[in-house]
Amino acid sequence: EPEVTQTPSHQVTQMGQEVILRCVPISNHLYFYWYRQILGQKVEFLVSFYNNEISEKSEIFDDQFSVERPDGSNFTLKIRSTKLEDSAMYFCASSEAGAGVYSPLHFGNGTRLTVT
Amino acid sequence: GENVEQHPSTLSVQEGDSAVIKCTYSDSASNYFPWYKQELGKGPQLIIDIRSNVGEKKDQRIAVTLNKTAKHFSLHITETQPEDSAVYFCAASFSGGGADGLTFGKGTHLIIQP
Repeated sequence: EPEVTQTPSHQVTQMGQEVILRCVPISNHLYFYWYRQILGQKVEFLVSFYNNEISEKSEIFDDQFSVERPDGSNFTLKIRSTKLEDSAMYFCASSEAGAGVYSPLHFGNGTRLTVT
Repeated sequence: GENVEQHPSTLSVQEGDSAVIKCTYSDSASNYFPWYKQELGKGPQLIIDIRSNVGEKKDQRIAVTLNKTAKHFSLHITETQPEDSAVYFCAASFSGGGADGLTFGKGTHLIIQP
């Protein structure tokens, strides 16, 4: 069964550094998402992406965050200047279709980001 | 925006017994309600979902019920097994979880006692 894959599984960075989290969505999917989960808390929506542009974003997704689909397979989340509170598990997800169409989200196994 | 409340936060049941997890949502426009199972160190895995045009859906030992009037939905697991131990999240969205994203509940840690 096709899977969403994320790399790295664990990233440690110093406060103020830039990080890029990488994802390879399922190949025939058209919608891509980033979610985050702070330890012990619920999964929170960050951003959705379709047709090479952001569709929706949450309040969490401020100017420090950006997303990109640099080629036909990868989907990345960049955090420009990391803060301690950015420490969380970041999940990438993809779905076959989007608004108005029944299309389950498939999640990757996440990247644990630790900011020191 | 949508707000999803989930109860209980922890649920311990004897192996073989049933488990029920309940969620409520606030946005009457929400029309898609998936349930995800998250095992340690892994991402959420979809186990069952329901759309607002049906009241109940069943898949082997797992069932979900939806009450649109009351804006609540529940996950029922029968004949629980040790491998059912995990954190379960309910979620809600408008338009099938597409561009709008999912709003998750806080999760229920289900513990199956042998």
